Amino acid sequence: AQSVTQLDSHVSVSEGTPVLLRCNYSSSYSPSLFWYVQHPNKGLQLLLKYTSAATLVKGINGFEAEFKKSETSFHLTKPSAHMSDAAEYFCVVSAFNDMRFGAGTRLTVKP
Amino acid sequence: DTEVTQTPKHLVMGMTNKKSLKCEQHMGHRAMYWYKQKAKKPPELMFVYSYEKLSINESVPSRFSPECPNSSLLNLHLHALQPEDSALYLCASSRASGEETQYFGPGTRLLVL
Repeated sequence: AQSVTQLDSHVSVSEGTPVLLRCNYSSSYSPSLFWYVQHPNKGLQLLLKYTSAATLVKGINGFEAEFKKSETSFHLTKPSAHMSDAAEYFCVVSAFNDMRFGAGTRLTVKP
Repeated sequence: DTEVTQTPKHLVMGMTNKKSLKCEQHMGHRAMYWYKQKAKKPPELMFVYSYEKLSINESVPSRFSPECPNSSLLNLHLHALQPEDSALYLCASSRASGEETQYFGPGTRLLVL
């Protein structure tokens, strides 16, 4: 069985400040982990994925995530938020075609 | 190219109408998916097609009928829907059903009156 917990339903940052979106997972396997972003009224765009290679994963638009097995975490970070980063972010765990979404974190970026 | 296209972008239908949603990908992917997403919720898996055969049906009501005419196309036929079926319907594809990386289309926003 697998599950994902996104620890914050809403995160608000100022433009130019760091972003941290937290994700913990549970899995009986060695899963793949993903972050997807969804802008209003749009589909989901793949930001990055972890598949048991390097624990620090770099994605698009300056985002990166670190896989920490001991903490079962896969937090998403960005050094400097941009207004265009405002969106809904989903953490996803997947193994053997069982894909589980977290509830989502809404990121607000203030000017 | 990692593009999945969906048509129409928006659809309004009455409860007695029959309509279809279409999804297309040209990445050579052999697995395709339909998801339903309600406002402020994550996507919920509805159907999975693998090599043009239905492999997963997540107990979806029969008023939703999927079809995979070929490896590039996926349809979702709608009939006698209810207002609670109003949602964003997302299509996704992956190289194979065991390949975890899914690529999503922009979705069809459906409103049932």
